[in-house]
Amino acid sequence: AQTVTQSQPEMSVQEAETVTLSCTYDTSESDYYLFWYKQPPSRQMILVIRQEAYKQQNATENRFSVNFQKAAKSFSLKISDSQLGDAAMYFCAYGGTSYGKLTFGQGTILTVHP
Amino acid sequence: GAGVSQSPRYKVAKRGQDVALRCDPISGHVSLFWYQQALGQGPEFLTYFQNEAQLDKSGLPSDRFFAERPEGSVSTLKIQRTQQEDSAVYLCASSLAWALTDTQYFGPGTRLTVL
Repeated sequence: AQTVTQSQPEMSVQEAETVTLSCTYDTSESDYYLFWYKQPPSRQMILVIRQEAYKQQNATENRFSVNFQKAAKSFSLKISDSQLGDAAMYFCAYGGTSYGKLTFGQGTILTVHP
Repeated sequence: GAGVSQSPRYKVAKRGQDVALRCDPISGHVSLFWYQQALGQGPEFLTYFQNEAQLDKSGLPSDRFFAERPEGSVSTLKIQRTQQEDSAVYLCASSLAWALTDTQYFGPGTRLTVL
């Protein structure tokens, strides 16, 4: 079974600074996807960024980028120029089945200080 | 169009009561997922529908949990004889097709509290 581990229960960052959230996973599959989801206090989960395992190039979406290390099974999220609206719970998720079932980590609460 | 909606947003049940949680996916979305999220934890997969077919129910924690999607749109998650350990937020998500590349859009969840 696949597992996803987020070892940082909480992180904080100053507005306009950069922060990196860590995630490791375990799988025996060779083809899969990895995701970062954001869950603000309103609870609606929103996709931030995704990475296809067979692509060596790290995904980027505006201020969000990932550092994907396949051999190390590591998938970190970097948020640049942090904004107050980035404050939320962030979940790393693994998707390895054909239809999109996701396995989530425990989450990291990100606080952004003005 | 509208996103995924869930009702009720909050549900309080006495232990032993049956509850029904509703999910309205985005119109035209083929795939529908239910997840259970305990307080302070990540969501855990419960079950998956492709149209009206329930293709994976491996995450349902017991036979007290039952889900259906009879017409391939609205889905209902039913919990019989609720227990305190069923207290959680139940999230529904839908996606356009059935590929892993299809973005899952989540609803706001139903917070179930069992007293």
